[in-house]
Amino acid sequence: EIVMTQSPATLSVSPGERATLSCRASQSVSSNLAWYQQKPGQAPRLLIYGASTRATGIPARFSGSGSGTEFTLTISSLQSEDFAVYYCQQYNNAGELTFGGGTKVEIK
Amino acid sequence: QLQLQESGPGLVKPSETLSLTCTVSGGSISSSSYYWGWIRQPPGKGLEWIGSIYYSGSTYYNPSLKSRVTISVDTSKNQFSLKLSSVTAADTAVYYCARQTTVVTPGYYYYYGMDVWGQGTTVTVSS
Repeated sequence: EIVMTQSPATLSVSPGERATLSCRASQSVSSNLAWYQQKPGQAPRLLIYGASTRATGIPARFSGSGSGTEFTLTISSLQSEDFAVYYCQQYNNAGELTFGGGTKVEIK
Repeated sequence: QLQLQESGPGLVKPSETLSLTCTVSGGSISSSSYYWGWIRQPPGKGLEWIGSIYYSGSTYYNPSLKSRVTISVDTSKNQFSLKLSSVTAADTAVYYCARQTTVVTPGYYYYYGMDVWGQGTTVTVSS
């Protein structure tokens, strides 16, 4: 089973600042990595797939990078609506999915 | 516009079987490259993938839950279902269904993520 580790657990950022979230896989997942945003009481929302491709309707301030075992989600200039929990998720060749533990982005 | 809706009992007794159904509307469950998944989230915790199914009936399960999980599909009703047996309080969670897009060809696969989610349904395990 591939383990996904996200860091930090909590990130305190001021509006307008840049946020950088990390996700590490215990073994290579190539580019089969997605990022999700979840707000309280809501279902997760797909932000990024293929490690770096924005999903439909996702603002350009969200960007993803990385491949293999190291991945990054960057929010270039945090807006008030971006304060939420972010999860990475991998897909492997056995058809199995794993989520990371999440990073909470909170207002500083 | 594709929509997913979970349904099922909100309260299940310990040791019994949790059963949920996800109804797909606005599109066909039999479309190629789409898989249909179940995900859960215990109160205050992160997301856990339970398993996924293709319209042909091929299933993929979380190894940690595999012994207790059965996912099935009914293409005539445009629904897929989850059964989780021998539940305990640790299975108390919000359960989501979602559409998963994966392109799989011999020697190659590409994952497009889970792009459509149901609103989630809360299941409590308690006597």
